[in-house]
Amino acid sequence: EVQLVESGGGLVQPGGSLRLSCAASGFTFSDYYMDWVRQAPGKGLEWVGRIRKKDNSFTTEYAASVRGRFTISRDDSKNSLYLQMNSLKTEDTAVYYCVRVEYTLDYWGQGTLVTVSS
Amino acid sequence: DIQMTQSPSSLSASVGDRVTITCRASQGISNDLAWFQQKPGKAPKSLIYGASSLQSGVPSKFSGSGSGTDFALTISSLQPEDYATYYCQQYKTYPLTFGGGTKVEIK
Repeated sequence: EVQLVESGGGLVQPGGSLRLSCAASGFTFSDYYMDWVRQAPGKGLEWVGRIRKKDNSFTTEYAASVRGRFTISRDDSKNSLYLQMNSLKTEDTAVYYCVRVEYTLDYWGQGTLVTVSS
Repeated sequence: DIQMTQSPSSLSASVGDRVTITCRASQGISNDLAWFQQKPGKAPKSLIYGASSLQSGVPSKFSGSGSGTDFALTISSLQPEDYATYYCQQYKTYPLTFGGGTKVEIK
């Protein structure tokens, strides 16, 4: 069974940093691209970014709203995905989902809440 | 960026009704279109990819259609477990973008 479990969310002040993790199991993690998608409270879904697999040199794509502030990385030896978030803004407050990519966003984690507030 | 416009933003329907949600892309995306279902407090669930291909395990009462710029998700006979918010999403180009969502409520 595919499982994606996010962790690392919490309350952080504007301008601060936070690192989210996603532990993957039930599939060969290294074979898949992985995404982060977020959802602000009461709002719709917003794609954050993607990391490709080793065969594609672990290259990344980002939404304009986070480019230069957020960094996606992965450790295939630990079946883990990461999202390093720097220079956080109040508008980054959201539930952050770790998502597997197979043609589409086929499996989603349960999400972790990040609140940016003073 | 490609804008995805869903309509309606919400609808009320009865158990057994046939429901159709539409999604329009601001430019052609071939069939690189997916649909998701999200229930309150839960993560989204993949329903359809490639505009019309059913994700494994998704019941056949869900169907997708369209190509280019105009797409639709149809639920053939609405059941209580189908009350949720539905999102379309294009994956033709970066950034990936979602529609604003359609909330399906009980009539």
